[in-house]
Amino acid sequence: GAVVSQHPSWVICKSGTSVKIECRSLDFQATTMFWYRQFPKQSLMLMATSNEGSKATYEQGVEKDKFLINHASLTLSTLTVTSAHPEDSSFYICSARGPRDALSYEQYFGPGTRLTVT
Amino acid sequence: EDKVVQSPLSLVVHEGDTVTLNCSYEVTNFRSLLWYKQEKKAPTFLFMLTSSGIEKKSGRLSSILDKKELFSILNITATQTGDSAIYLCAVNRPDAGNMLTFGGGTRLMVKP
Repeated sequence: GAVVSQHPSWVICKSGTSVKIECRSLDFQATTMFWYRQFPKQSLMLMATSNEGSKATYEQGVEKDKFLINHASLTLSTLTVTSAHPEDSSFYICSARGPRDALSYEQYFGPGTRLTVT
Repeated sequence: EDKVVQSPLSLVVHEGDTVTLNCSYEVTNFRSLLWYKQEKKAPTFLFMLTSSGIEKKSGRLSSILDKKELFSILNITATQTGDSAIYLCAVNRPDAGNMLTFGGGTRLMVKP
């Protein structure tokens, strides 16, 4: 149980285009999903938190107009990198937490999406 | 601002050695500390610690939390090459929707 998938697992796009990354909880309802970014040899940096049906909360320094997050259902959240630039190239990881995890605070991580912008 | 600091940044050992990874934290509102192992993809959960002094153990891995001194250690005994990974600790922020603040990670390499 508690499986989270991401799609695509890797993507290469041209500078100026937009890319959408999907995060799905496969066997539980994810009331909260988190999006992280990880640059090479660095740790995970939280970008935003999204609760189903409401607007995402972005961390300081993360441009909400550039990284659009939608959490329209209990099993799907999407991150759209708009007008991507080479400096957006990174490993994007989502995690999800269901209501039963409110006490355990455990997050279940997706396998990540490697984005390369040329 | 919440801070999670891990040390060492990287470590190279030989198979069979025992390693200790450190994680110290400064947070305004602590609830739990979590350890993850990250190989090529996303982190995999190892331990969650909420109480001081109670060791959690899983095979050759063990971890303990000291809430007075604000740190945790992760021990790996009889290391194997498969233990090579980045080990991340994270602190749960209950005042911010239970999001996790990650430390910088310790990169462990176990040589045969």
